[in-house]
Amino acid sequence: SQTIHQWPATLVQPVGSPLSLECTVEGTSNPNLYWYRQAAGRGLQLLFYSIGIDQISSEVPQNLSASRPQDRQFILSSKKLLLSDSGFYLCAWSPGTDLYEQYFGPGTRLTVT
Amino acid sequence: QKEVEQDPGPLSVPEGAIVSLNCTYSNSAFQYFMWYRQYSRKGPELLMYTYSSGNKEDGRFTAQVDKSSKYISLFIRDSQPSDSATYLCAMTNTGNQFYFGTGTSLTVIP
Repeated sequence: SQTIHQWPATLVQPVGSPLSLECTVEGTSNPNLYWYRQAAGRGLQLLFYSIGIDQISSEVPQNLSASRPQDRQFILSSKKLLLSDSGFYLCAWSPGTDLYEQYFGPGTRLTVT
Repeated sequence: QKEVEQDPGPLSVPEGAIVSLNCTYSNSAFQYFMWYRQYSRKGPELLMYTYSSGNKEDGRFTAQVDKSSKYISLFIRDSQPSDSATYLCAMTNTGNQFYFGTGTSLTVIP
């Protein structure tokens, strides 16, 4: 069966510090991968999606970036965090190839102080 | 106009009631529809997904899609306190971008 991992679970970082959130998927190959941010009362905001290694699309202009160094690894980064980057970050995967259901990881709660 | 509209609630029902959760959407190209359950401070959990129109049943849960009305529903029969959560609808036409509702908060009172 497939499993998706995210870490860390919680993170408190000062403004201006760098960020690296990691997501890995087990039990599948060539998944579509996604990063979302969820703010209270505002639903899920798609940040990045990737259909393959080095194929990443950005949906929202921001100071965040994403990389996919391996087929089942997706990393969300920032060089300098802003207060507005606080939120609940979710990684998700889908099988792709006409199978479009998404499965989410446990999330990372980021607080920028 | 938002791609997907969902009443945020909150919705409060007694245990054993039938719950109806709904979303409307504007893009007629959407073909794939999903419902997620999200407990507080957890990631969303996929409950059901359907392709195109029609009904799909899984235990106490039934998902309905009416593409002519651009309206989807999730019904929960014999609701339990453990069903208390936020329910999110989602949809896509390409599998690259998914469009989510803002979620409906449900509380089932014992």
